[in-house]
Amino acid sequence: QKEVEQDPGPLSVPEGAIVSLNCTYSNSAFQYFMWYRQYSRKGPELLMYTYSSGNKEDGRFTAQVDKSSKYISLFIRDSQPSDSATYLCAMSGPGSARQLTFGSGTQLTVLP
Amino acid sequence: KAGVTQTPRYLIKTRGQQVTLSCSPISGHRSVSWYQQTPGQGLQFLFEYFSETQRNKGNFPGRFSGRQFSNSRSEMNVSTLELGDSALYLCASSGTSGRVGDEQFFGPGTRLTVL
Repeated sequence: QKEVEQDPGPLSVPEGAIVSLNCTYSNSAFQYFMWYRQYSRKGPELLMYTYSSGNKEDGRFTAQVDKSSKYISLFIRDSQPSDSATYLCAMSGPGSARQLTFGSGTQLTVLP
Repeated sequence: KAGVTQTPRYLIKTRGQQVTLSCSPISGHRSVSWYQQTPGQGLQFLFEYFSETQRNKGNFPGRFSGRQFSNSRSEMNVSTLELGDSALYLCASSGTSGRVGDEQFFGPGTRLTVL
C-alpha cells in the first residue's frame, strides 16, 4: 500500500462547478501538506500549503487537513477551463527533511 | 524574482551513457531537491542538498548522484543509463532558513529519453 493514496480520475466537470479533490495517507508523522497543479509537460506549481490540521483559503481554492482521519482535500470553487490540469497532493514530516511524498495525481478537465 | 531554471530542457541518450542535469534555484534559496517523475511511479524523491551537503537521499541506486555548488546551483548525474531512466527530472528550490517546512518551488524539468 502506498503512503499517499489519490484517486487518479480522470475527473470531468462543467465550468462553474465546485471540484473536490482528496488524498488519504498512512504516515501519522506527516505535518506539512501541499497541493500542486501541473499542466501538461510543465513542472508542478505550488497552489496551497498548510501546516497540521485546519482549513486554508486562497481565492477560489480551499485546502482542508484532517490529521485525525489522515485525509486532506482541495476544493476549487467556480472552476474554469484554465483549471484543467493534474492536481498532486504532497506531504512531508519532521523526520524527512524536505522529502515530499506525492500522491499519484488527479487529472481534472473543466468543460466550457 | 526569477524562478527555478533547469538545463537542458530535453535530452536524448542511449543505454550505457551518462548524463548531467543542471538546476539553478531561486535567488537566495539554499536548498535544492531532485525528483524523478514517470507515468508508472509518479513523483519520487531522489535527494536534497543544503549548503553543499546532501541531507537526504531517496531509494534510488548509486548510479544516481548529485552535488551542490557554493552558489547553490546543483547538478545531478546518472551513469550507465537504462531504458527505465527515461523520465521528467524535476528540481525544487526552497527557503533560506533550512527549516523542514519551507515551501518547495519546482522548475520546468528536464525530459530525459533513453534509447
